[in-house]
Amino acid sequence: DTGVSQNPRHKITKRGQNVTFRCDPISEHNRLYWYRQTLGQGPEFLTYFQNEAQLEKSRLLSDRFSAERPKGSFSTLEIQRTEQGDSAMYLCASSSLSVAGGPDTQYFGPGTRLTVL
Amino acid sequence: DAKTTQPPSMDCAEGRAANLPCNHSTISGNEYVYWYRQIHSQGPQYIIHGLKNNETNEMASLIITEDRKSSTLILPHATLRDTAVYYCIVTKDYKLSFGAGTTVTVRA
Repeated sequence: DTGVSQNPRHKITKRGQNVTFRCDPISEHNRLYWYRQTLGQGPEFLTYFQNEAQLEKSRLLSDRFSAERPKGSFSTLEIQRTEQGDSAMYLCASSSLSVAGGPDTQYFGPGTRLTVL
Repeated sequence: DAKTTQPPSMDCAEGRAANLPCNHSTISGNEYVYWYRQIHSQGPQYIIHGLKNNETNEMASLIITEDRKSSTLILPHATLRDTAVYYCIVTKDYKLSFGAGTTVTVRA
């Protein structure tokens, strides 16, 4: 399968602990995105990388959140000092520059479901 | 990005065409219409997108009105596996803004 992969698929942690999620994009894609989805809502944009550069961060991404893409391939999303409000599905998507113009088409991974107790 | 309006839910009979409407009356000239769907507990799946012409692929057809203020996603022969939340998104850049979508239930 050459789609976007995310690990782990599920994570249960206690409040105050740190967690890290990994995303492996489609191999030729140079753009990578993180979204968060809470129960009953649509996904919300968190941040965006082009190669290794983080080009935008949503105001939803508090100081406890950090994302990296060190070599322009896989990406990690770390949440420090987790809170119960961080419980959500964390989705990763990737895309390559559209040759036809307009926005890229983003392809999503299966997500990591985080439960903070 | 322009805001979209979709009905919250709709039912469809298996084997029949499903027509999903989306209103985007404030769309600007350089904004595209994207459709994604999300089957329970999975990541969103890309379906189709267009700017002003009608588009068709192996999954669906997208009909955009001439004034571009609304569009319809057509699933030609709905199956039970098409049961999902369908999102209509209007965007001109990389930031996808998902609304509540339409919950489509395909019934046997």
